[in-house]
Amino acid sequence: EVQLVDSGGGLVKPGGSLSLSCAVSGFTISNIWMNWVRQTPGKGLEWVGRLKSKPAGGTTDYAAPVKGRFTISRDDSKNTVYLQMKSLTTEDTAVYYCTTAGLGMGFGYWGQGILVTVSS
Amino acid sequence: DIVMTQSPDSLSVSLGERATINCKSSQNILDNSKNKNSLAWYQQRAGQPPRLLFYWASTRESGVPDRFSGSGSGTEFTLTISSLQAEDVAVYYCHQYYNVPYTFGQGTKLEIK
Repeated sequence: EVQLVDSGGGLVKPGGSLSLSCAVSGFTISNIWMNWVRQTPGKGLEWVGRLKSKPAGGTTDYAAPVKGRFTISRDDSKNTVYLQMKSLTTEDTAVYYCTTAGLGMGFGYWGQGILVTVSS
Repeated sequence: DIVMTQSPDSLSVSLGERATINCKSSQNILDNSKNKNSLAWYQQRAGQPPRLLFYWASTRESGVPDRFSGSGSGTEFTLTISSLQAEDVAVYYCHQYYNVPYTFGQGTKLEIK
């Protein structure tokens, strides 16, 4: 059974940093493309970034609002993907989901979502 | 960036009736190498993550009831529920994965009349 388990959210002050984890079971993460998507009541679903599979080069792409501040990485030994966030602003307050298409297309697998609140 | 625009923003339909949600992309999202449109539909019930319903605009994900159908090509796409059931109350999103940044429609809230 495929499962994605998000963890690591919480409350952080503006300008602070936070790291989210996504533990994956059912897939070997080095073989799949992993994405992070966030959701706010005001902006709906917003793609944050992706980490390509190792066969596809293992590179990353980011949405403009987070480029240079967020980093997606992978620990193959733990089958876990990370989203490191720095220089956080109130605009980054959202529920963050890790998601993947697995071996197919579209985002067929989602974590349960983790709330990140940026507030003083 | 490709802008995805859904209509309507909200929809109220009687049980057993048809519900239709439209999605328009600001540019063509046809993957010429596959001759398929890079468009997905999701259902999001309250308090849950999105659930994939269709990819390639009309390929039904495993487990999705056949009262749901996806159609369209180029820049205009449609999600249809042929006979609305109570469990279909949710917000529905379209999503283009043609290129990054991937983008989503603003969502359509579907309710029972």
